[in-house]
Amino acid sequence: GQQLNQSPQSMFIQEGEDVSMNCTSSSIFNTWLWYKQEPGEGPVLLIALYKAGELTSNGRLTAQFGITRKDSFLNISASIPSDVGIYFCAGLPGPNFGNEKLTFGTGTRLTIIP
Amino acid sequence: DGGITQSPKYLFRKEGQNVTLSCEQNLNHDAMYWYRQDPGQGLRLIYYSQIVNDFQKGDIAEGYSVSREKKESFPLTVTSAQKNPTAFYLCASTVDRTNYGYTFGSGTRLTVV
Repeated sequence: GQQLNQSPQSMFIQEGEDVSMNCTSSSIFNTWLWYKQEPGEGPVLLIALYKAGELTSNGRLTAQFGITRKDSFLNISASIPSDVGIYFCAGLPGPNFGNEKLTFGTGTRLTIIP
Repeated sequence: DGGITQSPKYLFRKEGQNVTLSCEQNLNHDAMYWYRQDPGQGLRLIYYSQIVNDFQKGDIAEGYSVSREKKESFPLTVTSAQKNPTAFYLCASTVDRTNYGYTFGSGTRLTVV
């Protein structure tokens, strides 16, 4: 199955810095989702995007659905220690009729340096 | 509180043995999924079920089996045919097959010894 390419693979930042990560695909996606996974736990949904060009915020997190439909971006402003974890993008390639399968990215591991 | 419970949290298996991972949800969700997570990789879909008594293979179903006899339960059996079973296994559910805001369990880490 297809996987989405996320970058960077890992990030080491200081508390208070802003974070940017992205997810790209060689094919078009019609829905983009961003999840966060903390160590030893399952992923938790952060933001869902349904329309090309859409910009959606959830607190300090902002995600965008790329205009080409082949990419998505996640930004975290003023990072705090609890932002540590692995961030996954996920995409749905076709119209959402319920038979399509969600494709997950390879993840971006965020570490905050004291 | 509603949620998904996976058990056990850690599981050790000898080569050649079958093991079953439990996934139970009390969210009244119709659709349930099993994913495998390996270091440095995204989640890969093993099996999914959109309704009781029905399930479909995902991208990496070989060496795995599932059942969906009850809405609340979707156990995964890792058989001896799975050549590289050591991984973190995640179960998820969602309201129905058109909703991709999955709720995930906290996972089971399976190690072959």
